[in-house]
Amino acid sequence: QQPVQSPQAVILREGEDAVINCSSSKALYSVHWYRQKHGEAPVFLMILLKGGEQKGHEKISASFNEKKQQSSLYLTASQLSYSGTYFCGTDSSGNTPLVFGKGTRLSVIA
Amino acid sequence: EAGVAQSPRYKIIEKRQSVAFWCNPISGHATLYWYQQILGQGPKLLIQFQNNGVVDDSQLPKDRFSAERLKGVDSTLKIQPAKLEDSAVYLCASSLVLANEQFFGPGTRLTVL
Repeated sequence: QQPVQSPQAVILREGEDAVINCSSSKALYSVHWYRQKHGEAPVFLMILLKGGEQKGHEKISASFNEKKQQSSLYLTASQLSYSGTYFCGTDSSGNTPLVFGKGTRLSVIA
Repeated sequence: EAGVAQSPRYKIIEKRQSVAFWCNPISGHATLYWYQQILGQGPKLLIQFQNNGVVDDSQLPKDRFSAERLKGVDSTLKIQPAKLEDSAVYLCASSLVLANEQFFGPGTRLTVL
């Protein structure tokens, strides 16, 4: 089942923070986050495994709440380069294919 | 390290014609994925290979789509005959092992007229 991402779109000014959520109706084993810039291929950001581990990548971090079957991506002090569409992909068992959400379009303006 | 290679980058065909896409994954990556991405949506898995065996093809429209990965390296995805709704970007990705970080190729943008 496809995870639900929110918000669908967000506009930020440089330096502002944002949170993108990814929710599933199924129990999750892992959540993967990717960023895709317009006309380009998705690029891997991070994987979060069952266990609630929080990870970081530059000023982008994420958490995974098993009980809520939800992951959140945190972007702090946003930069123009953060613009793009962010996708979460969920895996329910560790060896099932990823199911991607519809994406959250993030626009960072000067 | 070379990335995932795909060709062609763009293809325009008439409906009912056939088309083939090629993908060469990163050297040493056992897992290869083909995704379909329709404008404004997330990638949808069509087929997943582990070496030259199919792991999952549950969402592949098998009446018109086929894929193979000979010798566990490069792969070809074919559509025959194409329909208007097949217009999309076809992404190939590879990973070292199953459930690991995926590296995507630049994609093939298919337009069916």
